Amino acid sequence: SQQGEEDPQALSIQEGENATMNCSYKTSINNLQWYRQNSGRGLVHLILIRSNEREKHSGRLRVTLDTSKKSSSLLITASRAADTASYFCASISGSARQLTFGSGTQLTVLP
Amino acid sequence: NAGVTQTPKFRVLKTGQSMTLLCAQDMNHEYMYWYRQDPGMGLRLIHYSVGEGTTAKGEVPDGYNVSRLKKQNFLLGLESAAPSQTSVYFCASSYEDNEQFFGPGTRLTVL
Repeated sequence: SQQGEEDPQALSIQEGENATMNCSYKTSINNLQWYRQNSGRGLVHLILIRSNEREKHSGRLRVTLDTSKKSSSLLITASRAADTASYFCASISGSARQLTFGSGTQLTVLP
Repeated sequence: NAGVTQTPKFRVLKTGQSMTLLCAQDMNHEYMYWYRQDPGMGLRLIHYSVGEGTTAKGEVPDGYNVSRLKKQNFLLGLESAAPSQTSVYFCASSYEDNEQFFGPGTRLTVL
């Protein structure tokens, strides 16, 4: 079963707008990671947030983590058409040493 | 650096045939992983390895075998392919529980 579930499943916005994607997970985590996948390509790591962190920034990306609600959000500011892709959250729990992926959010940024 | 490479990129098999997918990484990572991705879904872990000579089962290991004879290589084998194994296969590597680096994928069709 999927540890993480993204919401929404699909999101369509205009260029320049902000995009927010949410992720919920079921068990306690060591860290949570966000990845991007362009159509037909492999996944690219965007950002990692550890369980003792609440917020992290990287360029136009902002990730928050709420361990009490077992949820995370990814904010992309000032979106561009090139941000069109699928976005996945993935988490590592305990000693599992395994990333467990959600089913992803398909983001479309319209020019 | 080439990062993570996968061969082949595409393959078509008949039911019952066997094949081996090769993954190679040049980042000196201890951890390597094999995932499968089916349409509209996130990645599911098949097998993984935390070091040369070691392998472990992931979420969906049935029908697959793996070997890690050299640190830089991780092989995924299908002994008797089935149509249910039609998927896109991704290999990844990482330094411990940190970000994973993905290969470009192998698109496998089993007729």
